[in-house]
Amino acid sequence: QQQVKQSPQSLIVQKGGIPIINCAYENTAFDYFPWYQQFPGKGPALLIAIRPDVSEKKEGRFTISFNKSAKQFSLHIMDSQPGDSATYFCAASGQTGANNLFFGTGTRLTVIP
Amino acid sequence: DAEITQSPRHKITETGRQVTLACHQTWNHNNMFWYRQDLGHGLRLIHYSYGVQDTNKGEVSDGYSVSRSNTEDLPLTLESAASSQTSVYFCASSESRGRNTEAFFGQGTRLTVV
Repeated sequence: QQQVKQSPQSLIVQKGGIPIINCAYENTAFDYFPWYQQFPGKGPALLIAIRPDVSEKKEGRFTISFNKSAKQFSLHIMDSQPGDSATYFCAASGQTGANNLFFGTGTRLTVIP
Repeated sequence: DAEITQSPRHKITETGRQVTLACHQTWNHNNMFWYRQDLGHGLRLIHYSYGVQDTNKGEVSDGYSVSRSNTEDLPLTLESAASSQTSVYFCASSESRGRNTEAFFGQGTRLTVV
């Protein structure tokens, strides 16, 4: 049973476009929602994270939007660049810390020059 | 620089053999984790540890075991490798228990069971 559902599975955008990746969860005990970025042959690396006390968090060109009532959160990449081409994973965990990170199935993003 | 390293990077083994994947971190993190990554499943937690002598089962622990004899290392053992265990394995570590802190991942080990 997938604790965190992620869509789409793949995404292709033109340079400068704004890809949006969506995630949904059911467990209301989750209170930490990170996004990880993974390049081929590398391990995932933390990109940005949000807690449910805010509805939006922005770091550079990356923005997380969070809707607590709908139990959904999304990643927006502004002015996307070819170097953003990677696989993106959303995740969620509860109050016990990063130990029980439940990951989505991943979105493979391709940004065309 | 502190880091987390996995070895080997690639491994081919036969069904039924015991295999151990190594994970070593130099951050002095208490938390360490093993995940497997499969297409269509994302990353799934196999085992985790909050400190020396502490180990816990994750969501896909059957057929795997870990031991934590020091802070730096969390080796993952496949007792009797099966083809279903062909996957990419990632080790991760994080700073402390009780707070949601960043998990740092290794480069992964690609394991093929033939």
